[in-house]
Amino acid sequence: ETGVTQTPRHLVMGMTNKKSLKCEQHLGHNAMYWYKQSAKKPLELMFVYSLEERVENNSVPSRFSPECPNSSHLFLHLHTLQPEDSALYLCASSQDRLGGADGYTFGSGTRLTVV
Amino acid sequence: GQSLEQPSEVTAVEGAIVQINCTYQTSGFYGLSWYQQHDGGAPTFLSYNGLDGLEETGRFSSFLSRSDSYGYLLLQELQMKDSASYFCAVKGGNKLVFGAGTILRVKS
Repeated sequence: ETGVTQTPRHLVMGMTNKKSLKCEQHLGHNAMYWYKQSAKKPLELMFVYSLEERVENNSVPSRFSPECPNSSHLFLHLHTLQPEDSALYLCASSQDRLGGADGYTFGSGTRLTVV
Repeated sequence: GQSLEQPSEVTAVEGAIVQINCTYQTSGFYGLSWYQQHDGGAPTFLSYNGLDGLEETGRFSSFLSRSDSYGYLLLQELQMKDSASYFCAVKGGNKLVFGAGTILRVKS
C-alpha cells in the first residue's frame, strides 16, 4: 500500500457522463500532481498544485478540471470526455515541487475507459 | 522543453547485470531520477542523481554525466521480480518529465 491512495481503481464512463477521480495523501507533502499514462507513451504531466495553489496547467483540455481543497486531497473532475482520454490517471505527491532526493510518491492510478 | 530517450525493451537472464541508458535534453536541469513500475502498479522511486557520478542502493546503481546529458540505471544480480518498466525522469523548471519507459524482461 503506497502513501498515496486513489479511488476508484477502475472507471468506465460514457462521453456524456460527469465523474470525479479522488487522490489522498497523508505524507505531509506540499505538492500534488496529476499525470496521464497512455500505452507506450511517456507519463504526461497534467496539473501541479503546490500548497493548494495550481502552479501548472500543462495545456490540458477544459473537460478535465482539477480541484485541491486542502493539502491532502486532490480531485480530477471529468465531463464530456472523448474515447482518446481512456488511460491510466496517476496522482503523485512530493515534499516540494522539485521532488528532492526523495522523489515523487505515486498512487496506483485510476484506469479510465471512455465508451 | 524537455525530452528523454531510453530503449523500449531490454531482456536479460536471472543473475545477470543489465544497464538501461537514458539521454535527455532539458533546460534548467536539476537532476535525473529513476522509477520502477510493475504491471498494474504505481511507479515507485528508485534513485536520484543531482551531481555527476554513481549512486548505489543495494543491487541498483544509477549514474549521471551532466556534460553528456546522459545517465543509466544498473541492475545487478537480476531477479524475476525485477521484470517491470523503468522510467528515467528529469527535473527541469518546476516539474518532473518522464521518458517513455524501458520494459525489462528477466528470464530464468
